[in-house]
Amino acid sequence: AQTVTQSQPEMSVQEAETVTLSCTYDTSESDYYLFWYKQPPSRQMILVIRQEAYKQQNATENRFSVNFQKAAKSFSLKISDSQLGDAAMYFCAYRPSDNFGNEKLTFGTGTRLTIIP
Amino acid sequence: GAVVSQHPSWVICKSGTSVKIECRSLDFQATTMFWYRQFPKQSLMLMATSNEGSKATYEQGVEKDKFLINHASLTLSTLTVTSAHPEDSSFYICSARDRTVWTEAFFGQGTRLTVV
Repeated sequence: AQTVTQSQPEMSVQEAETVTLSCTYDTSESDYYLFWYKQPPSRQMILVIRQEAYKQQNATENRFSVNFQKAAKSFSLKISDSQLGDAAMYFCAYRPSDNFGNEKLTFGTGTRLTIIP
Repeated sequence: GAVVSQHPSWVICKSGTSVKIECRSLDFQATTMFWYRQFPKQSLMLMATSNEGSKATYEQGVEKDKFLINHASLTLSTLTVTSAHPEDSSFYICSARDRTVWTEAFFGQGTRLTVV
């Protein structure tokens, strides 16, 4: 079974600074997807960034980028120029590649990010 | 991204009664829908998955007779908590995906259920 581990229950960063959230996972699959989701106080789950395992290039979305190390099974999220609106719980998630009936997300335990003004 | 609407946002019910939560995909057809439960300060735990045209597949430990899931159409799924008890109080979240189009699933805004 796949597992996702987030070893940092809480992180804090000064506004405008950069912070990196860690995530490791375990799988025997070679093709899969990795995601970072943000859950603000409203509790709406928001997709931050997605990475396909077959792509060597790290995904980026504006201030958000990942460091995907497939061999090490590591998938960290870097937030640059942190803003107050980035304060939220961040979940790392794994999903197998398309295989009808077996596409569920496995979530990590989350990292609560606090932005210090 | 696509929009998934979940209703109600919060509900309070008496112990022993049943409550229904709706999850609608507003601008796409959801070939797969997922129901999660989230306890305070914890991660999302998958309860069940339903694919178009088939019954829901429940995760181990989830009582299918207590948590009835109906994927009524390609745009609507419902979760009915039957004979609710205080321990069923939780935050329930649905997500939906058109797997022919997108890699990711889109989430509803969640429903806070309180059983008194």
